[in-house]
Amino acid sequence: GAGVSQSPSNKVTEKGKDVELRCDPISGHTALYWYRQSLGQGLEFLIYFQGNSAPDKSGLPSDRFSAERTGGSVSTLTIQRTQQEDSAVYLCASSLAQGDYGYTFGSGTRLTVV
Amino acid sequence: QKEVEQNSGPLSVPEGAIASLNCTYSDRGSQSFFWYRQYSGKSPELIMFIYSNGDKEDGRFTAQLNKASQYVSLLIRDSQPSDSATYLCAVFYSSASKIIFGSGTRLSIRP
Repeated sequence: GAGVSQSPSNKVTEKGKDVELRCDPISGHTALYWYRQSLGQGLEFLIYFQGNSAPDKSGLPSDRFSAERTGGSVSTLTIQRTQQEDSAVYLCASSLAQGDYGYTFGSGTRLTVV
Repeated sequence: QKEVEQNSGPLSVPEGAIASLNCTYSDRGSQSFFWYRQYSGKSPELIMFIYSNGDKEDGRFTAQLNKASQYVSLLIRDSQPSDSATYLCAVFYSSASKIIFGSGTRLSIRP
């Protein structure tokens, strides 16, 4: 696609429910990244996929968070048993190769846990 | 020392003046440097990248890089109210194979 596409744009869920967030990267981009941004805060790295290599999961805050990338393209970030502190904007980005030419971000998914 | 450090601001600059945003980084081996602009409620947008020491100009924006001092800056000439945003400095860390972002500087252009 022309840009990084994320869905849904907004998600309100009840505490304790599971949620899935989707990211469709730019066609041809081999690397895909997930970030989280709480209100007024900086970007918090979550996870990074590069081609067929094992993902870098070093930023996942707890084992309630997981992500997969199928067929080297679309990625899904899953949050199990959501908590109120999970409320944030979840941003996906993609890049050519390792990203030394920069990342392109999607418009994000605003998650609100009530 | 933080990997990428920026003053959080807010930085307030009068319309028409030059806004100067600064950033330092810790990895001497870094080769790629970026500035992203993020409007409130929007996602970050890449506005400048620089790989070589010196200045790189694009319209009203100039990125400056000094690898010896591990310092990157962004100058915005003839600042406009539409430049009011948070500016994120970002550095590609080859050791981590990913870009590390600073926490951003909030810039406000006052009419």
